[in-house]
Amino acid sequence: SQTIHQWPATLVQPVGSPLSLECTVEGTSNPNLYWYRQAAGRGLQLLFYSVGIGQISSEVPQNLSASRPQDRQFILSSKKLLLSDSGFYLCAWTPRASAGGRRDTQYFGPGTRLTVL
Amino acid sequence: AQTVTQSQPEMSVQEAETVTLSCTYDTSESDYYLFWYKQPPSRQMILVIRQEAYKQQNATENRFSVNFQKAAKSFSLKISDSQLGDAAMYFCAYRSGRYGGSQGNLIFGKGTKLSVKP
Repeated sequence: SQTIHQWPATLVQPVGSPLSLECTVEGTSNPNLYWYRQAAGRGLQLLFYSVGIGQISSEVPQNLSASRPQDRQFILSSKKLLLSDSGFYLCAWTPRASAGGRRDTQYFGPGTRLTVL
Repeated sequence: AQTVTQSQPEMSVQEAETVTLSCTYDTSESDYYLFWYKQPPSRQMILVIRQEAYKQQNATENRFSVNFQKAAKSFSLKISDSQLGDAAMYFCAYRSGRYGGSQGNLIFGKGTKLSVKP
């Protein structure tokens, strides 16, 4: 079965420090991958999505970036965090048609709670 | 552009009773998917139920069922025999039936916070 992991679960960082959040998916190949941010008490905002290694699309211009160095690994980064980067970050995946499963359905990881002080 | 609206910021239900959460959407597409996700206090997003727009039959998953009204662009979630563990934020989401590029992305409503009273 497929599982999705996010690391770390919780992070407290000072303003201006770098950021690296990791998302990995097991049990599937060549998934589509997504990064979302959820501010406190608000809905989900899509940040990035990826359809393959090295292929990243940005939905919202900001000081965050994403990379996909391996098929099942998706990384969210920042060189200098802002206070407004605080929030809950969720990674999600969808299967490819060739891998079976419902490629229209997104499955979410457990999330990372980021606090920028 | 497609939009999803959840008009009930908060709802409350007595344990063992039934509650219905509302969702409306706007789209010009005829082929799409609709979802309800649950976000408990742990904040992980959990898929509750999925509906394919070309299917007239309403989806059901145990105590969860939907009332899908395609012409009215309405997609409500009914929770029967409510349990304390159902307390969570519930998000309605839309996905285009097309594939490729950003068309696989989900569009979420702002959510409904459901409380369950013992």
